[in-house]
Amino acid sequence: GENVEQHPSTLSVQEGDSAVIKCTYSDSASNYFPWYKQELGKRPQLIIDIRSNVGEKKDQRIAVTLNKTAKHFSLHITETQPEDSAVYFCAADAGGTSYGKLTFGQGTILTVHP
Amino acid sequence: GAVVSQHPSRVICKSGTSVKIECRSLDFQATTMFWYRQFPKQSLMLMATSNEGSKATYEQGVEKDKFLINHASLTLSTLTVTSAHPEDSSFYICSAPTGGGYGYTFGSGTRLTVV
Repeated sequence: GENVEQHPSTLSVQEGDSAVIKCTYSDSASNYFPWYKQELGKRPQLIIDIRSNVGEKKDQRIAVTLNKTAKHFSLHITETQPEDSAVYFCAADAGGTSYGKLTFGQGTILTVHP
Repeated sequence: GAVVSQHPSRVICKSGTSVKIECRSLDFQATTMFWYRQFPKQSLMLMATSNEGSKATYEQGVEKDKFLINHASLTLSTLTVTSAHPEDSSFYICSAPTGGGYGYTFGSGTRLTVV
């Protein structure tokens, strides 16, 4: 089955700095990679996603890059703000008959200091 | 947008009792529902996949007799934790594909505490 590794486990930055979180996956059949932000006790909130036929996607301060050959993808947050502080999870979906079955990374606790 | 309503949001039960968690799709038909479990400070782990009108598929290591899943209609899937023990205390959350490509919607989650 799919295995997703996420690093770092914790990330502390100053307000205004950039934050980068990296994930690798093992199943070359995976073709959809969402990123979620989760606040304590709440449901995961989709912040950006990318499909395997795209190398990069950007939405305002958030961007995701995907390297299919190397099987890794990264989340980039620029101009970080204190409200960006949360736990971030990457995930991979193998699609096909496994559509919707997400394998999550271990999570990254992002702290943005004012 | 597609919404999955999950209840209860919090439940405390005594060891040995059973607890039922419901996930209901409000404005779309959820033929498939995924059930995840999240222990404190850990990631979400898929427990099982339920499909309307058929038996659920459980991930390796998940006891099907302990975690009963029923998906009797296109809008309702339930997870029953039977004979709950303190180690079953966790955050349980459901997710359904919303169709039209890779979209999923999550329920709001259920915090189960077994005392």
